[in-house]
Amino acid sequence: AQTVTQSQPEMSVQEAETVTLSCTYDTSESDYYLFWYKQPPSRQMILVIRQEAYKQQNATENRFSVNFQKAAKSFSLKISDSQLGDAAMYFCAYRSSGSRLTFGEGTQLTVNP
Amino acid sequence: DAGITQSPRHKVTETGTPVTLRCHQTENHRYMYWYRQDPGHGLRLIHYSYGVQDTNKGEVSDGYSVSRSNTEDLPLTLESAASSQTSVYFCASSVAGATDTQYFGPGTRLTVL
Repeated sequence: AQTVTQSQPEMSVQEAETVTLSCTYDTSESDYYLFWYKQPPSRQMILVIRQEAYKQQNATENRFSVNFQKAAKSFSLKISDSQLGDAAMYFCAYRSSGSRLTFGEGTQLTVNP
Repeated sequence: DAGITQSPRHKVTETGTPVTLRCHQTENHRYMYWYRQDPGHGLRLIHYSYGVQDTNKGEVSDGYSVSRSNTEDLPLTLESAASSQTSVYFCASSVAGATDTQYFGPGTRLTVL
């Protein structure tokens, strides 16, 4: 079974600084998709970014970018120019054609003014 | 964001009573899912549906049931609520299946006393 591990239960960053959230996964599949979701205090799950495993280029969405290392099975999220509104729980998730969406346990990000 | 609503947003009930949580989406998404979120476990899949009249069990389906009579709705029923089912419940939907992005509703916090 696929597993997703987020080894940092909590992280903090100063406003305007950069922070990287870690995620590793275990799979024997070669074709799969990886996601980062953000859950603010409102509890809404919001898609931040998505990466297709067959793409070598790292996905970016404005201030959010990923470092996808397929051989190492690593999928970290970098948040640049952190803003107070970035404070949330961040979940890494994995899915392949043969499996359902599997989430990590989350990383709680605090942004300090 | 997909138009997904959940009701109620909060519910307190007693052990042994039946409970139905509702999920409604207006995006004409074929695929719908129910998750529960608990501390230390991230989100876990309860049930999912790949279309009208189709339902499937997820990893934590015991004590829950779903039915899909139309595209828009996937109600989650707890036949006899147990304290172990105190959790936050999320509904999600996606256009296609295996690798498509899932969009989440706002969540329902259920407390079983």
